Amino acid sequence: GQQLNQSPQSMFIQEGEDVSMNCTSSSIFNTWLWYKQDPGEGPVLLIALYKAGELTSNGRLTAQFGITRKDSFLNISASIPSDVGIYFCAGQPGTASKLTFGTGTRLQVTL
Amino acid sequence: GAGVSQSPSNKVTEKGKDVELRCDPISGHTALYWYRQSLGQGLEFLIYFQGNSAPDKSGLPSDRFSAERTGGSVSTLTIQRTQQEDSAVYLCASSSQQDTQYFGPGTRLTVL
Repeated sequence: GQQLNQSPQSMFIQEGEDVSMNCTSSSIFNTWLWYKQDPGEGPVLLIALYKAGELTSNGRLTAQFGITRKDSFLNISASIPSDVGIYFCAGQPGTASKLTFGTGTRLQVTL
Repeated sequence: GAGVSQSPSNKVTEKGKDVELRCDPISGHTALYWYRQSLGQGLEFLIYFQGNSAPDKSGLPSDRFSAERTGGSVSTLTIQRTQQEDSAVYLCASSSQQDTQYFGPGTRLTVL
């Protein structure tokens, strides 16, 4: 099935550094979501974006819904060890519809 | 409140056997989704139930895969005559009408 292009594939950063990852699609989505997945767990929702151009923050996380509706980015500021995990973007054509996921960004944080 | 639960958490089966995976959605959620996650990959949509509407089966990879949702709540994903390429984590999610999807912990299926 279709997957969104997500980059980078993996990142190794030091604690305290900022992180940026992005996601692009060939088709338009009306909702963009960012999830984090820990080993052995299901994805947990971090941020939901519902409007083109929208910039939303959740603590140290900031995400933006691209103006073209075909891309989104996620920034994490001042990373901490518990930020380790796999981050997925997901696009949704409308509410209550299936999600198309990105390929994931694996984040490793070193002390 | 309770989140989405799935059982079993792990399932090891032999090639050719049938398996059933269960999902208990969040109470009151009308929509239920199944996704598959192969090792190191993102999630791939399988099937979607919304209320009493006909399910969206567009993501099912073959006719060996089927799912049902009884009474608008619990769902079972069945894989018949399992193959090694069916090995993956099967994730269930539920949502209310306008809300985002909340995921269960998944069932890790290994086909030997």
